[in-house]
Amino acid sequence: GNSVTQMEGPVTLSEEAFLTINCTYTATGYPSLFWYVQYPGEGLQLLLKATKADDKGSNKGFEATYRKETTSFHLEKGSVQVSDSAVYFCALSDRGDTGRRALTFGSGTRLQVQP
Amino acid sequence: DTAVSQTPKYLVTQMGNDKSIKCEQNLGHDTMYWYKQDSKKFLKIMFSYNNKELIINETVPNRFSPKSPDKAHLNLHINSLELGDSAVYFCASSHRDRNYNSPLHFGNGTRLTVT
Repeated sequence: GNSVTQMEGPVTLSEEAFLTINCTYTATGYPSLFWYVQYPGEGLQLLLKATKADDKGSNKGFEATYRKETTSFHLEKGSVQVSDSAVYFCALSDRGDTGRRALTFGSGTRLQVQP
Repeated sequence: DTAVSQTPKYLVTQMGNDKSIKCEQNLGHDTMYWYKQDSKKFLKIMFSYNNKELIINETVPNRFSPKSPDKAHLNLHINSLELGDSAVYFCASSHRDRNYNSPLHFGNGTRLTVT
């Protein structure tokens, strides 16, 4: 079946530090890949996506590149801010065991940015 | 101008009770979902409806029954609540997109505590 594995958190950084959150996946077909972000007390919202190999998704200074050879979609940001503190979810869409496409989420990585 | 709204925000109840969570979206989407987020932030799809028709019904106890009176509403009714049902329940909606490339819009969640 399909699965998404993220690094365990929390990840604690100082403001302006470089961020990497690792994400690897297992899929039977050719998935689309996503990063969603959940700010405290809110629902998830799409941060960025990539629909095919070597695509780079980017938004709000965050980037992730779809690497088919390493089945990875690591999230990066060059300089984090306190306002980036949130839980980040990696996700993929692909056909599951039922043959039906579904969105599978990783377990989330909490980012804490200190001033 | 809330896009996906769910009520109540908090729900505390005793084992054995029956409760409902309501969800409404004003985005004109034709697909709606219920997700369950456990204490470790792991997010799992429960149900998906498209134009009031059930599309996805994952392995969920039949004590959980979704109801979609129209494509803008998807309510979740839970019978005979158990301690293990304690979680945050998220409603979401999206345009119908077989590849899930259209982003999901999430509500702010309902935190259910069963005592």
